[in-house]
Amino acid sequence: DAGVTQSPTHLIKTRGQQVTLRCSPISGHKSVSWYQQVLGQGPQFIFQYYEKEERGRGNFPDRFSARQFPNYSSELNVNALLLGDSALYLCASSLRGSGANVLTFGAGSRLTVL
Amino acid sequence: AQTVTQSQPEMSVQEAETVTLSCTYDTSESDYYLFWYKQPPSRQMILVIRQEAYKQQNATENRFSVNFQKAAKSFSLKISDSQLGDAAMYFCAYRSSISNFGNEKLTFGTGTRLTIIP
Repeated sequence: DAGVTQSPTHLIKTRGQQVTLRCSPISGHKSVSWYQQVLGQGPQFIFQYYEKEERGRGNFPDRFSARQFPNYSSELNVNALLLGDSALYLCASSLRGSGANVLTFGAGSRLTVL
Repeated sequence: AQTVTQSQPEMSVQEAETVTLSCTYDTSESDYYLFWYKQPPSRQMILVIRQEAYKQQNATENRFSVNFQKAAKSFSLKISDSQLGDAAMYFCAYRSSISNFGNEKLTFGTGTRLTIIP
C-alpha cells in the first residue's frame, strides 16, 4: 500500500510569490495534518482537517491556508512568501483524527524562498 | 499550552551499545499520549514507540523501550544493541487525549541527533 505522498518534493520560490503543496493520505485515512519544520527545529503544527472540515489550527498567520478534498487529499497554500517560510513541510494522515490514532508522515516538501 | 524539551542536541553511541535519549514535558492534563519519532536523512518521520499516560507499564518495541515517569513528567527512550541504521534525529512528541473529535495536534521537542560509531 502507498504511504502518505507529497508533491513537489523540492521547490524554490521568491519572496512575495505563492505556493501550493499537495498531500495524498494513506487509503482509508480521513484526517490530514500539516506541519512546518524549520531547519534544526522540531515540526510545528499548522492545520488539521478531518472529513473536509478544519479541526485545528496552529499559530500561523492568515497567509497560510489549507483545504481537504472529497477524496481526502489536501492542499496547503502559502501566500506572500517570506524568507522565513523556508522549511520542510510535512503532511501526516490518520484513520480517525483523534484518540490513540497514530500519525503517518510523508517525506515532506522542501520549500526554499529566495 | 504544552511544551516538550529535549536537552541533548546530539548524542553518540558505539555500535551494539545502549543509549538513552531524554525528554521532559509540561502539561496540566492528566491523560495524554507521548511518542518518539525518528527522522533519518530521508526526512520521513517514523514512529518508534508510543506511551499512553494512563498506562503505568513502560512501552517496549523490540530494541526500543521507554522510561515513563509521570510525576516527574519525564519520557526517555532507551535504544539497546544500537545499529548503524538507528542513526537519525529523534523527536519526542506530546498529544492531548481530549476527546474532541479531530484533536490530533502533536507538540514536538527540538530533537536529538543520534550518531552511531562503528
